[in-house]
Amino acid sequence: AQSVTQPDIHITVSEGASLELRCNYSYGATPYLFWYVQSPGQGLQLLLKYFSGDTLVQGIKGFEAEFKRSQSSFNLRKPSVHWSDAAEYFCAVVLSGGGADGLTFGKGTHLIIQP
Amino acid sequence: DAGVIQSPRHEVTEMGQEVTLRCKPISGHDYLFWYRQTMMRGLELLIYFNNNVPIDDSGMPEDRFSAKMPNASFSTLKIQPSEPRDSAVYFCASSDPTTGHTQYFGPGTRLTVL
Repeated sequence: AQSVTQPDIHITVSEGASLELRCNYSYGATPYLFWYVQSPGQGLQLLLKYFSGDTLVQGIKGFEAEFKRSQSSFNLRKPSVHWSDAAEYFCAVVLSGGGADGLTFGKGTHLIIQP
Repeated sequence: DAGVIQSPRHEVTEMGQEVTLRCKPISGHDYLFWYRQTMMRGLELLIYFNNNVPIDDSGMPEDRFSAKMPNASFSTLKIQPSEPRDSAVYFCASSDPTTGHTQYFGPGTRLTVL
């Protein structure tokens, strides 16, 4: 069965510092890959997605992610974080090709921003 | 577009009561998904529909849970009878093939069963 691992439950970063959130997936083929962000009491907002092509994808709010097939990873990065980036971040995958299917989510990484 | 709409945003009920959660997908989206979020299990898929037809309900925890989609703009998730362990945030999401089935989520319904 496909699975998604986000190894860091919590990450603390100083405002203005760079950020990298890790995501690894276990799947027989390359799935579609997503990063979502959830602010407290809110729904999930799509940050970015990877389907195919350029392995470095740009998203909203200054985020980017890089797909590395050899490492089965899709890590999220931001060069300089802002206090408003404090939230829960989820990596998710779905089988590529064919029809839709439910997303498989990682457990999430809680991002804390220090002033 | 208004996005995915869910109601109510918060629901508090007593054990044994029937609970109905509602979802309006984004207009034109032909897939609708119900997820549940808990501290213990994280985000998990309960059921999804395509063109109002249930496709995969293997995530529905037990017979107390049922979901319907009577038309393209409305779906319900019903729990009867509710139990304290059903307390969670329930999300609805919709997608369509033209965006690679990217799923857009509603704000969720926070359910508390006392």
